[in-house]
Amino acid sequence: DQQVKQNSPSLSVQEGRISILNCDYTNSMFDYFLWYKKYPAEGPTFLISISSIKDKNEDGRFTVFLNKSAKHLSLHIVPSQPGDSAVYFCAAPRGYSGGGADGLTFGKGTHLIIQP
Amino acid sequence: DTAVSQTPKYLVTQMGNDKSIKCEQNLGHDTMYWYKQDSKKFLKIMFSYNNKELIINETVPNRFSPKSPDKAHLNLHINSLELGDSAVYFCASSQGGGEETQYFGPGTRLLVL
Repeated sequence: DQQVKQNSPSLSVQEGRISILNCDYTNSMFDYFLWYKKYPAEGPTFLISISSIKDKNEDGRFTVFLNKSAKHLSLHIVPSQPGDSAVYFCAAPRGYSGGGADGLTFGKGTHLIIQP
Repeated sequence: DTAVSQTPKYLVTQMGNDKSIKCEQNLGHDTMYWYKQDSKKFLKIMFSYNNKELIINETVPNRFSPKSPDKAHLNLHINSLELGDSAVYFCASSQGGGEETQYFGPGTRLLVL
């Protein structure tokens, strides 16, 4: 049962424009979300996170928006740059072991391609 | 100065063999994890350890045995390798105690022939 879903396997955006990556979740108990970026043959790199007490978190060119009622979050990248071409994963802590060692549940990822 | 390192980066082996993957983190974190990314690119947790103690074993076959000699290291030993074990294995660490940001190693690409 996939609790975090990224329904767009790929997204192509022109350099300088805005990239919007979407993520939906089904578990209303999730209270923290993370975005990771992954280049080929490398491990995922933490990008930005958001707590459920907020609806927006911004870090430079990256902004994550959270809509709890819709169980939806999105990552905005503006302006998009060639180095942003990567796979982006949405993730949430599974949170049931209670000890902070629960691991993350990931979406399948969206491959972002920035075209010059 | 790599934060989470794994060795080897690539591993090609025959079915039935036993192999180990090593992971080390120099972030001073209390919690370490193993994830598997299969051919469909799903990243799924296998194990987590907190201060050398096993916390999560996500219905992984007994052929997989993690070992944590100290909180900076989490190794993964796999017995009797099968074709379906071919995947990329990622080690990760986090501070734990509610700090959920995890830092990943570069991955070990395992191919079982």
